[in-house]
Amino acid sequence: SQTIHQWPATLVQPVGSPLSLECTVEGTSNPNLYWYRQAAGRGLQLLFYSVGIGQISSEVPQNLSASRPQDRQFILSSKKLLLSDSGFYLCAWRSFHSYNEQFFGPGTRLTVL
Amino acid sequence: TQLLEQSPQFLSIQEGENLTVYCNSSSVFSSLQWYRQEPGEGPVLLVTVVTGGEVKKLKRLTFQFGDARKDSSLHITAAQPGDTGLYLCAGARDYKLSFGAGTTVTVRA
Repeated sequence: SQTIHQWPATLVQPVGSPLSLECTVEGTSNPNLYWYRQAAGRGLQLLFYSVGIGQISSEVPQNLSASRPQDRQFILSSKKLLLSDSGFYLCAWRSFHSYNEQFFGPGTRLTVL
Repeated sequence: TQLLEQSPQFLSIQEGENLTVYCNSSSVFSSLQWYRQEPGEGPVLLVTVVTGGEVKKLKRLTFQFGDARKDSSLHITAAQPGDTGLYLCAGARDYKLSFGAGTTVTVRA
């Protein structure tokens, strides 16, 4: 069965510090991978998606970047965090053979102070 | 601007009552997903609807996809406290999902 991991679960960072959030998927190959941000109790905003190693599409211009160094690894980064980067970050994967169902990781709660 | 509009935004009902959540759009989707999310956790997929007019039942939950594949509804019969959560609809196009803002459902015992 497929499993998706995210770490860390919680992160508190000062403004101006760097960021690295990691997401890995097990039990599937060549998945589409996605990063979302969610405001409290609200819907999800798509930040980046990737259809393969080294292939990143950005949905929203922002202070963040993403990379996919391996087939089942997706990283969200920032060189200098802003207060507005605070939120709940979710990674998701999609099987190539599906009706676009996406399966989500447990999320990372980021607080920028 | 949200591509998918969900209503109502909040819903608080007594255990045993029925409820309906609506998800509307002016766009056509290849499929539509419903998710339920608990606080501090990732959304969990409940159902995918693909065909216009399709109705799917999952125990006490009934999902319907509009004939034109632009809208959907989620109906819960005899709600229980375990149904409490944030319900999200998401429309699929080009390998991406566009999410509604969510409906927070609270079922009081």
